[in-house]
Amino acid sequence: GQQVMQIPQYQHVQEGEDFTTYCNSSTTLSNIQWYKQRPGGHPVFLIQLVKSGEVKKQKRLTFQFGEAKKNSSLHITATQTTDVGTYFCAGADSWGKLQFGAGTQVVVTP
Amino acid sequence: EAGVAQSPRYKIIEKRQSVAFWCNPISGHATLYWYQQILGQGPKLLIQFQNNGVVDDSQLPKDRFSAERLKGVDSTLKIQPAKLEDSAVYLCASSLWAGRYEQYFGPGTRLTVT
Repeated sequence: GQQVMQIPQYQHVQEGEDFTTYCNSSTTLSNIQWYKQRPGGHPVFLIQLVKSGEVKKQKRLTFQFGEAKKNSSLHITATQTTDVGTYFCAGADSWGKLQFGAGTQVVVTP
Repeated sequence: EAGVAQSPRYKIIEKRQSVAFWCNPISGHATLYWYQQILGQGPKLLIQFQNNGVVDDSQLPKDRFSAERLKGVDSTLKIQPAKLEDSAVYLCASSLWAGRYEQYFGPGTRLTVT
């Protein structure tokens, strides 16, 4: 079945630095979604990518969908303490079923 | 717009007991999902409803878990009997329709089985 893997599992970042988290699927995806979960909270939708090679930006966050629609990345520039949390990618199959990755837990040190 | 409501927020039970969770999705959302999230892992889909029909329940342990969505609105998830490994957060989510629509998650129910 479909598997979605994320790396790294943990990301320790100093405030102001950039980092990237990666998401890889074993199968071609219909679309990919990214969610953020703050400590003790629930996942909150960030963005959806549908087209091959698509790039979308949200302020300091840049999301990219691979050409083969099997991988994606999230790049955060100038990390802030508000970026703390776990970032999940979720790959959707043609039926809309989401397979979540294990997430990248981001810790920001001032 | 009201979000996805879930209750209870916390539940502690002993193994072999039964428990039920309730979810009220966002009004007008046709698709409802139940996820299990074990600490340190991503949400794992247990069951997906489209209106009041089941779309996917391939990862639902049917010998002990059951779910229903009567009248295509709110839903209940039941575990009977509970096992220690069922300790997790149970998240309900809804979306306008299945497929290319974002999912809105409720606050979750934290279940501890002792």
